Amino acid sequence: QKEVEQDPGPLSVPEGAIVSLNCTYSNSAFQYFMWYRQYSRKGPELLMYTYSSGNKEDGRFTAQVDKSSKYISLFIRDSQPSDSATYLCAMMGSDYKLSFGAGTTVTVRA
Amino acid sequence: GAVVSQHPSWVICKSGTSVKIECRSLDFQATTMFWYRQFPKQSLMLMATSNEGSKATYEQGVEKDKFLINHASLTLSTLTVTSAHPEDSSFYICSAQQEGIAKNIQYFGAGTRLSVL
Repeated sequence: QKEVEQDPGPLSVPEGAIVSLNCTYSNSAFQYFMWYRQYSRKGPELLMYTYSSGNKEDGRFTAQVDKSSKYISLFIRDSQPSDSATYLCAMMGSDYKLSFGAGTTVTVRA
Repeated sequence: GAVVSQHPSWVICKSGTSVKIECRSLDFQATTMFWYRQFPKQSLMLMATSNEGSKATYEQGVEKDKFLINHASLTLSTLTVTSAHPEDSSFYICSAQQEGIAKNIQYFGAGTRLSVL
């Protein structure tokens, strides 16, 4: 079993829709939870970073962490064609090493 | 701020040759840098952790003699793929970690696409 499981997708949504991305994890030692966006043939770009359970908002993005269920989510409101990318969840424990999900490719149709 | 530059972005080489990839933190000092490998439509897999002034720590299954890592300064780490073969063709990405309260944040380079003929 992988440490981090991410809903595989791909997802295709119309412009303006809400995009919902999810990951589960098995390692209770994970303390930090991130979402990265990766465009084709580019390095990942940090979108959101959370530490505790609960919600964190940044513009159109909301990150949710439920440590008791070992479940994290990212919501993108009012999605735009420019949001089309692969989204990677990532988690980190006290060793500061990142464990990534496999990624979900999102296409926002104009 | 927190920009990581990776060079080259794309390299093609002949089988048996060696290729060096550079990773630089442009506006901060990075005691620790990480090297990842990514196959098409797959996630990033950590290859090694590079610490300034000391030997790199490799993940299980990664050949340290094949993937030589040097972290000679606080802003530069290099990955050398020695005697490259077609199966080494992949997307290599580095990241750098800031010290202090932002230690849990890794900033990524743009990646290097290696094609071995």
